[in-house]
Amino acid sequence: EAQVTQNPRYLITVTGKKLTVTCSQNMNHEYMSWYRQDPGLGLRQIYYSMNVEVTDKGDVPEGYKVSRKEKRNFPLILESPSPNQTSLYFCASSLRDFGRGLRNTEAFFGQGTRLTVV
Amino acid sequence: AQKVTQAQTEISVVEKEDVTLDCVYETRDTTYYLFWYKQPPSGELVFLIRRNSFDEQNEISGRYSWNFQKSTSSFNFTITASQVVDSAVYFCALSVNSGYALNFGKGTSLLVTP
Repeated sequence: EAQVTQNPRYLITVTGKKLTVTCSQNMNHEYMSWYRQDPGLGLRQIYYSMNVEVTDKGDVPEGYKVSRKEKRNFPLILESPSPNQTSLYFCASSLRDFGRGLRNTEAFFGQGTRLTVV
Repeated sequence: AQKVTQAQTEISVVEKEDVTLDCVYETRDTTYYLFWYKQPPSGELVFLIRRNSFDEQNEISGRYSWNFQKSTSSFNFTITASQVVDSAVYFCALSVNSGYALNFGKGTSLLVTP
């Protein structure tokens, strides 16, 4: 089954304690990205990766790091979390770009990680 | 820059009513892709449809239909004979050929009551 797996689903942590949210996909997609969802703001892109070892900033990258050492994995790292990073996070993967795919190529999203920083 | 506007923040209807969710987009790219996603109370994002800018056919899938109008930069979503299970937040999103992001609207929360 095609899927994007994020872990953990829920996380409560304290300010300043480093954490990593893992993301793995089994579809051999080149393109992966991270989004955060906040009330009234929709989803905003944090970072994306076009392929292994190729990453770039999205709209809201401050306070986050990513790495893409393997094609299937794209972890999100918060080196020193702060309360304003409390949010719902989604990992997504897709083909190289939507225009290359079939008519209904989609971005596959993980189940989401609800992070609370106190 | 790309922008997606979902002007309706919340909509409440009674079961069996038809409801239309509006989506207006802005882009200067000539090739772009429009999406609708559903987010039920459980929180996951469920893909509904993707439409290419060069394909202006309207789409119907069961009780769902989408009306893509390039002239007004809109990609509206209609649910016919709504059901309680349609209650969710619906997101419209835009991706352009020159970019790597899905630009989401802020979402429309739909509540269908019995």
